Amino acid sequence: GQNIDQPTEMTATEGAIVQINCTYQTSGFNGLFWYQQHAGEAPTFLSYNVLDGLEEKGRFSSFLSRSKGYSYLLLKELQMKDSASYLCAVRDRTDSWGKLQFGAGTQVVVTP
Amino acid sequence: DTAVSQTPKYLVTQMGNDKSIKCEQNLGHDTMYWYKQDSKKFLKIMFSYNNKELIINETVPNRFSPKSPDKAHLNLHINSLELGDSAVYFCASSQDKSAFYEQYFGPGTRLTVT
Repeated sequence: GQNIDQPTEMTATEGAIVQINCTYQTSGFNGLFWYQQHAGEAPTFLSYNVLDGLEEKGRFSSFLSRSKGYSYLLLKELQMKDSASYLCAVRDRTDSWGKLQFGAGTQVVVTP
Repeated sequence: DTAVSQTPKYLVTQMGNDKSIKCEQNLGHDTMYWYKQDSKKFLKIMFSYNNKELIINETVPNRFSPKSPDKAHLNLHINSLELGDSAVYFCASSQDKSAFYEQYFGPGTRLTVT
């Protein structure tokens, strides 16, 4: 089984930076995803890390440390539209196929 | 064009009824999934099909039966609905079964059982 932990909620002001941490304990690991989900909508893909280090995509960056079972998503220059839930998901290594185990999500609230 | 579509978007029904949710993807993907997102927003995989073949079947009551007539379609039939089945059900697809590729989610079906 897997345990995936992330904070329930974070609040930040427009223009600021927020870092969402995700820790995991897995029986098998082969990659970590971050998804964004606005209220009442479908999750959409943000980033994928399989090797240690930082992946940068515009205002969003994601970091992975496999030895520590730790990842973070960094949101820079926050905008109001970034208010959403951010889901950390670990790829479970199961035979020739994989499945994603999702954390409960971190609700980010951006204030003016 | 919508990549992954689901019908219906909302479903309100009484306990004991049987209902179906349909999903279609036009991305040419091989793999499709059903997820359940409960009131605490926890997204949990239920089933996965790869080219019409069931490859993931999590611990889900037998009342839930998925069917994939072709690789572009995945349906979910639920028998004898219970209050605890109330949730948002998401369909998703990905390029292949490896789960290395991002998954594309449908808009969700909000099921309310009364």
